Amino acid sequence: DGGITQSPKYLFRKEGQNVTLSCEQNLNHDAMYWYRQDPGQGLRLIYYSQIVNDFQKGDIAEGYSVSREKKESFPLTVTSAQKNPTAFYLCASIGTGPYQPQHFGDGTRLSIL
Amino acid sequence: AQTVTQSQPEMSVQEAETVTLSCTYDTSESDYYLFWYKQPPSRQMILVIRQEAYKQQNATENRFSVNFQKAAKSFSLKISDSQLGDAAMYFCAYRSPLNDMRFGAGTRLTVKP
Repeated sequence: DGGITQSPKYLFRKEGQNVTLSCEQNLNHDAMYWYRQDPGQGLRLIYYSQIVNDFQKGDIAEGYSVSREKKESFPLTVTSAQKNPTAFYLCASIGTGPYQPQHFGDGTRLSIL
Repeated sequence: AQTVTQSQPEMSVQEAETVTLSCTYDTSESDYYLFWYKQPPSRQMILVIRQEAYKQQNATENRFSVNFQKAAKSFSLKISDSQLGDAAMYFCAYRSPLNDMRFGAGTRLTVKP
């Protein structure tokens, strides 16, 4: 079945360390997104990509970086510049054509050690 | 930029009763798409219902229906015959034709037995 796979499910980071969250989709979707969700809060957009080798900053891009070298993959790096990285991270994608909803992965929980 | 507002941080309903969750949005575009997503404690994002802006008819999916008022920029979700499994966070979402996605802050729904 097609879907979005995020890994790992849980991730721990030491102070000053960069970590990369994986997001892979086999839905043949062009647009991919990264969201951050804090406890009891909504989804805030970090980065999104409409096409390979192109991406745009969302509302809270500082301290994060992404790449989009392949259509299927949109990894998110949480850098040491992100001072409060503990959160739940969701990856999503949208297919072409109107009326398509976002499909979501199961998320990655990142915690600071 | 488009914004989505959910004015009810928490709602409660008795099992088998009906509840309505509110959502308003702000946009200057004439065509767009609206969605309601459910996020249970597992934190999976589950599509509940969708509405295309140019369609006058309100969408319905089993016990879930919407009241879409385009002029008022309002998109409320009605849950009929509420069940214990409906307890979750509910997010209203807006999608522009260019795939710009915006989410509300969410409404936490509690279902009382």
